Amino acid sequence: DTGVSQNPRHKITKRGQNVTFRCDPISEHNRLYWYRQTLGQGPEFLTYFQNEAQLEKSRLLSDRFSAERPKGSFSTLEIQRTEQGDSAMYLCASSLDRGNYGYTFGSGTRLTVV
Amino acid sequence: AQSVSQHNHHVILSEAASLELGCNYSYGGTVNLFWYVQYPGQHLQLLLKYFSGDPLVKGIKGFEAEFIKSKFSFNLRKPSVQWSDTAEYFCAVAVAGGATNKLIFGTGTLLAVQP
Repeated sequence: DTGVSQNPRHKITKRGQNVTFRCDPISEHNRLYWYRQTLGQGPEFLTYFQNEAQLEKSRLLSDRFSAERPKGSFSTLEIQRTEQGDSAMYLCASSLDRGNYGYTFGSGTRLTVV
Repeated sequence: AQSVSQHNHHVILSEAASLELGCNYSYGGTVNLFWYVQYPGQHLQLLLKYFSGDPLVKGIKGFEAEFIKSKFSFNLRKPSVQWSDTAEYFCAVAVAGGATNKLIFGTGTLLAVQP
């Protein structure tokens, strides 16, 4: 068990550029979550996958954001036409099943839009 | 919609002092409650959780929390803090039996323990 891995750890991009982040969950975990955390705030839910199906999206996830989990394993989060307000820590978490609320969080990808 | 309030944004204590961090939630139904900790430079880790049963739950590293349903509260306590407890603490709630298990977090409390 190597935990939840997120890449890259840091990303600096210019406004208007597209960025993509990757999350590799714990291998047997079928549930995968993306959260966003800004300074002084707790993590905010963005979206949830069960296996490859994206079952819930937050209203925070504008149409510039898209997430995929094509084979029910790793997931990607893409932000198109980045804005300064997108600067945040993007966290990925995974869990095994509905009855087990034992989320395991990754270390996050810190995005800075300049 | 559910929400979580953590009223203490920044707490400074000396080693061996007792700790209590407040957490209140708003939701009319049954909830599951959590405390997470984030040590400097590390990822979020689960401290303890409450699903049902004994409202006093014990977690790792000597932490405990008490669920008081009538007050919609789930305060975190530790009788004697150590310098190594310096971290940010997040309270979170999930709708019990919900389809997604998504967590709603509070804004966090930054705890600094002075040696």
